[in-house]
Parts: sequence; C-alpha cells; structure tokens
Amino acid sequence: DTGVSQNPRHKITKRGQNVTFRCDPISEHNRLYWYRQTLGQGPEFLTYFQNEAQLEKSRLLSDRFSAERPKGSFSTLEIQRTEQGDSAMYLCASSLARDYEQYFGPGTRLTVT
Amino acid sequence: AQTVTQSQPEMSVQEAETVTLSCTYDTSESDYYLFWYKQPPSRQMILVIRQEAYKQQNATENRFSVNFQKAAKSFSLKISDSQLGDAAMYFCAYRETGANSKLTFGKGITLSVRP
Repeated sequence: DTGVSQNPRHKITKRGQNVTFRCDPISEHNRLYWYRQTLGQGPEFLTYFQNEAQLEKSRLLSDRFSAERPKGSFSTLEIQRTEQGDSAMYLCASSLARDYEQYFGPGTRLTVT
Repeated sequence: AQTVTQSQPEMSVQEAETVTLSCTYDTSESDYYLFWYKQPPSRQMILVIRQEAYKQQNATENRFSVNFQKAAKSFSLKISDSQLGDAAMYFCAYRETGANSKLTFGKGITLSVRP
C-alpha cells in the first residue's frame, strides 16, 4: 500500500501526559499537512511542511504542540501536557508541491481522560 | 479569512435517486480551488471532485457533478444514481492558489442512502 499511513490509529492517554503521532506520506510527495478534526466538525488546518521546512502554523497550534519532519520524509506531531480539549482525530495529508490534491491518511484518534 | 459553510447537517436519499449537497463559501480572492471530499465511516477521506474557480465549466466525475456559481459563491455537489456505498460524510473545502495550500473545510454533511 503506497498511501499515507499514520500510527498509532488510536491513543488513549491521561491528562498531563505527552503523546507523539507519526505520519508517513506518499513517498514522492514533498508537502505534508496536519489537520485536527473534532466530533461533528470538519478538519482544521494545524501546520504544513515542504520537505523538512515548516512553512506555516495555525494559531490553533499552541506552544504545547510541536511538529517535525527531520529528513523531509515522515513527520511527527507531539502534544505535551495533554488536555481533555486535545481529544480529536489528527489527520495527516500529503501532496506534490505543485499539485493541489491532498491525500489523507486514516488519522490518529486521541482520547484524553 | 476564508470560510466554508455547509448548513445542512444531514441528508437522506433513496438508492438510485439523485441528491444535491449544498455549500457556500466566502473569499475575497478571484482565483481558488474548491473540493468535495468524502469520509466514509472509520475510513480515510478521499477526494470526490475539484473545481478551479477560473473554469466556467462545471466539473464532473462519473456520477458526481458540481454546480459552481462563482458570483453567488456557491458550490453544490450532485450525486446521481445514488449507491449504498455513497453513504458517508461529505466535506466541502476551499484552497487558495499559490504557495499556501492549506484546505479550509466546512462542517460536513452526513449522507445516508436508503435501500
């Protein structure tokens, strides 16, 4: 399967713990995006990378959130000191820089108890 | 800031019938892209159809077509010959042209298909 993959698919954590999610994009795609989707809402943009450079961050991305894409391939999204409001589906997508179709992964569902 | 509005939270259609999902958006840009994405239950989001704002012709993809009204900032999706597999959440999305390629989504609409 050469689609976008995300791990883990589900994560349950206690409030105050740190969590890290991984996204593996389609191999030739150099743009990678993170979105957050809460129940009953559409995805909201968090951040995106072109190769290893993080080009834009939403104001939704508080100081507790950090994303990296160290070698321009996979990306990680870390949430420190999780809060119940962080409970959501975290979606990753990738695209070719000059192509406008974003291909989405299956998401990581985070539950903070 | 751009906004996308999907005011119908749910719709239902009889199998083999036609259904239209509505979407409006707000932007000050003259050129942009619009998309409809499908998110089946517990499955990943896939692109259904896209429309470039500079194109006057409405996009079509097999049973899926759009009615793009640029002046009214309206972008509806028509699904013909509805199938059980069409049951899903459908999201309307907007994207600027140029370097900033983030998508702005509406809240989505849940489509159910009655056998």
